[in-house]
Amino acid sequence: AQSVAQPEDQVNVAEGNPLTVKCTYSVSGNPYLFWYVQYPNRGLQFLLKYITGDNLVKGSYGFEAEFNKSQTSFHLKKPSALVSDSALYFCAVREGSGTYKYIFGTGTRLKVLA
Amino acid sequence: DGGITQSPKYLFRKEGQNVTLSCEQNLNHDAMYWYRQDPGQGLRLIYYSQIVNDFQKGDIAEGYSVSREKKESFPLTVTSAQKNPTAFYLCASRQVGETQYFGPGTRLLVL
Repeated sequence: AQSVAQPEDQVNVAEGNPLTVKCTYSVSGNPYLFWYVQYPNRGLQFLLKYITGDNLVKGSYGFEAEFNKSQTSFHLKKPSALVSDSALYFCAVREGSGTYKYIFGTGTRLKVLA
Repeated sequence: DGGITQSPKYLFRKEGQNVTLSCEQNLNHDAMYWYRQDPGQGLRLIYYSQIVNDFQKGDIAEGYSVSREKKESFPLTVTSAQKNPTAFYLCASRQVGETQYFGPGTRLLVL
């Protein structure tokens, strides 16, 4: 069965420092991986995705993520955090192209301190 | 939030009442989804529809019903059988590509 784990409920980082939000997954086929961000009382906004190709994926707002097949991970990163990056971040996985179902992690709250 | 609208933003339900949440998209997407979000639990799939006049149950369909009579609309009814309906409800849609896009959400509260 598909699953996604976000091991940290909250990540704190100082403004200007690099940030990492962790995600590991489990699927039996090829994973399609996604990161979304959610601001309070809003819907989820798409940040980036990995389907195939280059393991380093660049997305919106300066975020990037690295797909690591051997570690089954897809960590979200940003070189220099902004206070405005403070939000709830979700990792999601879909198993290949044969299913319409997405599995979401429980979310990681990122707090960037000024 | 793109071309997906959800209404109302807040909805109040009385005991024993059925309520309907609206979801409309102008993205010409074939697939539409309903999720429930509770604190600390991420998103859980209620129902999804791959095409008009067809839909499938997700992981937590009990106490909910849907219809898909038009491509652009996928309303969700929270029935009186749903004993714990207080949550944030999110609608999403997807076309042939892999990315789901989400609406702004509806918060359902019980009076």
